[in-house]
Amino acid sequence: KNEVEQSPQNLTAQEGEFITINCSYSVGISALHWLQQHPGGGIVSLFMLSSGKKKHGRLIATINIQEKHSSLHITASHPRDSAVYICAVNMGTSGSRLTFGEGTQLTVNP
Amino acid sequence: GAGVSQSPSNKVTEKGKDVELRCDPISGHTALYWYRQSLGQGLEFLIYFQGNSAPDKSGLPSDRFSAERTGGSVSTLTIQRTQQEDSAVYLCASSVGPFADNEKLFFGSGTQLSVL
Repeated sequence: KNEVEQSPQNLTAQEGEFITINCSYSVGISALHWLQQHPGGGIVSLFMLSSGKKKHGRLIATINIQEKHSSLHITASHPRDSAVYICAVNMGTSGSRLTFGEGTQLTVNP
Repeated sequence: GAGVSQSPSNKVTEKGKDVELRCDPISGHTALYWYRQSLGQGLEFLIYFQGNSAPDKSGLPSDRFSAERTGGSVSTLTIQRTQQEDSAVYLCASSVGPFADNEKLFFGSGTQLSVL
């Protein structure tokens, strides 16, 4: 069992749909990251969370420390949102090492 | 610079040769990380630098892999006697400091290494 699990692995949506990607982890963490990897391979950091909720434009990330769970929501999805979304966590107190989920491939069709 | 810069963007080498991959982090970023992503695989942590020291090198897969950072800036990842299983995209990332609230990672565009 991976220490960081994402679901779903693949997600296809129609433009305009509300999208949720989930991330669960098995041990205590100091922070959780949501990353976006575009088809060309570039990775962009979307959010870093240690508690609560953050919002940036159409993206919302939430984390529940007690339940060891985070969600990434995309409102009014658009084809340009198509990418791989990766959850990554800083485990323990050292904070230096990120453990990654396997990613969620999102495809938004027009 | 404006972003994290990696070079070369692509490297094709023969099995058994040594390669050096370079990362220029964002100016002022004290924390630097190397990751790799093999084809169809997730991201894998390799090593973390804080300044010029590497408090966590636990992700280096073998003693053929080494990395250094000089002047608190540029880092070089060296792979000796490359093997075909070393083929991957090697990604560098930097952040202002050790992980803390609101610290974000900034990624370079990676070096695609192909070992023939």
